[in-house]
Amino acid sequence: EIVLTQSPGTLSLSPGERVTLSCRASQSVSGSYLAWYQQKPGQAPRLLIYGASSRATGIPDRFSGSGSGTDFTLTISRLEPEDFAVYYCQHYGSSPITFGQGTRLEIK
Amino acid sequence: EVQLVESGGGLVQPGRSLRLSCAASGFTFDDYAMHWVRQAPGKGLEWVSGITWNSGSIGYADSVKGRFTISRDNAKNSLYLQMNSLRAEDTALYYCAKARRLPAAIQDAFDIWGQGTMVTVSS
Repeated sequence: EIVLTQSPGTLSLSPGERVTLSCRASQSVSGSYLAWYQQKPGQAPRLLIYGASSRATGIPDRFSGSGSGTDFTLTISRLEPEDFAVYYCQHYGSSPITFGQGTRLEIK
Repeated sequence: EVQLVESGGGLVQPGRSLRLSCAASGFTFDDYAMHWVRQAPGKGLEWVSGITWNSGSIGYADSVKGRFTISRDNAKNSLYLQMNSLRAEDTALYYCAKARRLPAAIQDAFDIWGQGTMVTVSS
């Protein structure tokens, strides 16, 4: 089983700032089968990025993903008020599919 | 509108069974693999199980293997999760999720999620 470790656990930032979230895998993620999701309180997760760097339909271009192998990042170029949420990475290249524990992005 | 609606959750005693359903609409259901993901109160996401379009390939998390069974009825555009021998640690919000692209593999991201159905296992 691939274990995903996200860092940091919580980030306190202000709107307009740039942020980079990290996701490290315990072993190489085949085919860059790594996704990022955003979850707001009381809502289902929303797919942001798949294939490590491809934006899902309707996702603003301030969200970008990068990385390969065991190290992946999600960058938000300029935080908007609606971006404050919990972010999860997910590997789906092999079974079992696993998620990271999440990074909470909160308003400073 | 693409939509997934889960049902069947509730309060159940440890050791008992429960069957969850997910009704899909707005897309061609049998063109996609489907999944169940759960989230315990205040916790992160945990993949539970996935099934390909024709039920030819199925996967389970180790935590539910042997107790839970995923199935689908393409004629009814529905996904199911039969949960047996329930434990307190199975208490969670259970989401149904659609695979983004692949019908014949469960290795895919999830692009559409339902709002979830809550399962509480307690005596």
